[in-house]
Amino acid sequence: NAGVTQTPKFQVLKTGQSMTLQCAQDMNHNSMYWYRQDPGMGLRLIYYSASEGTTDKGEVPNGYNVSRLNKREFSLRLESAAPSQTSVYFCASFTGGQYNEQFFGPGTRLTVL
Amino acid sequence: RKEVEQDPGPFNVPEGATVAFNCTYSNSASQSFFWYRQDCRKEPKLLMSVYSSGNEDGRFTAQLNRASQYISLLIRDSKLSDSATYLCVVYGSFQKLVFGTGTRLLVSP
Repeated sequence: NAGVTQTPKFQVLKTGQSMTLQCAQDMNHNSMYWYRQDPGMGLRLIYYSASEGTTDKGEVPNGYNVSRLNKREFSLRLESAAPSQTSVYFCASFTGGQYNEQFFGPGTRLTVL
Repeated sequence: RKEVEQDPGPFNVPEGATVAFNCTYSNSASQSFFWYRQDCRKEPKLLMSVYSSGNEDGRFTAQLNRASQYISLLIRDSKLSDSATYLCVVYGSFQKLVFGTGTRLLVSP
């Protein structure tokens, strides 16, 4: 099992460019999440999908869109990148239930110039 | 006030030392709690869950104090490999986890 995979690992964009971050999990989890992590800010939830076909905003959704393509895949799109979106982005999946572990992908390091 | 608060550290300790981290949470209705570990430039990984009665996993002991709304992590006999950031995590509503900003631990020879 690969667990949670993310592509790309690194990306540099210019202000105004768009891109999609890809995430896939092979653990048959219902819930998937996108976080960003900035120094001193911790992990902040951007969007999540509690099940296939549903998506909801998290703490910092502005400037992002998501698609839950199927149970395995959950993508994050930046329509018009801004320097404030320079961050490390983590995708995670979760089987659900309050005692279970959330599994993370290796992260995408994004720089917006 | 943040939902989950931690001292960012860093905590600098020598090998073999005992070190403890605390974390406070604001939502008294929170039901479950975790410690995750994050190595530099890597993804967070579950270290241990925190049970009401307290629990131990080798050199690591986690405690929960519901009355004061804090969680603690004790590491005994610190190893160089324990150097990392420790994230306090609270299970929130709608299957969301709320993460603290992390406490950085540096173990030196």
